[in-house]
Amino acid sequence: DSGVTQTPKHLITATGQRVTLRCSPRSGDLSVYWYQQSLDQGLQFLIQYYNGEERAKGNILERFSAQQFPDLHSELNLSSLELGDSALYFCASSASTGLYGYTFGSGTRLTVV
Amino acid sequence: QQQVKQSPQSLIVQKGGISIINCAYENTAFDYFPWYQQFPGKGPALLIAIRPDVSEKKEGRFTISFNKSAKQFSLHIMDSQPGDSATYFCAALYDYKLSFGAGTTVTVRA
Repeated sequence: DSGVTQTPKHLITATGQRVTLRCSPRSGDLSVYWYQQSLDQGLQFLIQYYNGEERAKGNILERFSAQQFPDLHSELNLSSLELGDSALYFCASSASTGLYGYTFGSGTRLTVV
Repeated sequence: QQQVKQSPQSLIVQKGGISIINCAYENTAFDYFPWYQQFPGKGPALLIAIRPDVSEKKEGRFTISFNKSAKQFSLHIMDSQPGDSATYFCAALYDYKLSFGAGTTVTVRA
């Protein structure tokens, strides 16, 4: 157990739908990162939050959004889902700078049918 | 745009052999270079990391070699074991954000 908790582990939904992925960071970590992992794109950085504020944005689609709540858990919202959104979505957390690496959760496998 | 280029895509090594994975980067502002190990169905886990002011770091059977002038770094897995079979990602950190290589799938044959 890495200390980063992601729910649900698996999600199957239809095209056009909206889903919410949840992440609880490791105790004491203020930063939360979301990554998408697909077979042909590797680990792609989506977005980072630090202590409730958006800190950095990567290749995140406009259909996707995220937030970090006062208790530091984070949610990634994916809407108008397309087949190509099927992937593993990882959350990671770190101390303030990430200098000693991220701790990843076990991921949410999203399948869009 | 891949900021960290990783090779090879996959490799097969015999038990007891040496696995070598190479990475190259362009952004000289990167200030931390970790390697992650990922098993199927699991999230990546930090394996070993190095700062750019160090040329080599060893932890058990895993060694990072870092060449700042060439902007390259590599992971050596000595005495490879079947339990090392996994996907390995190099990464580089700048401005709180990790950029990952595409990954190398290592298969260790018994």
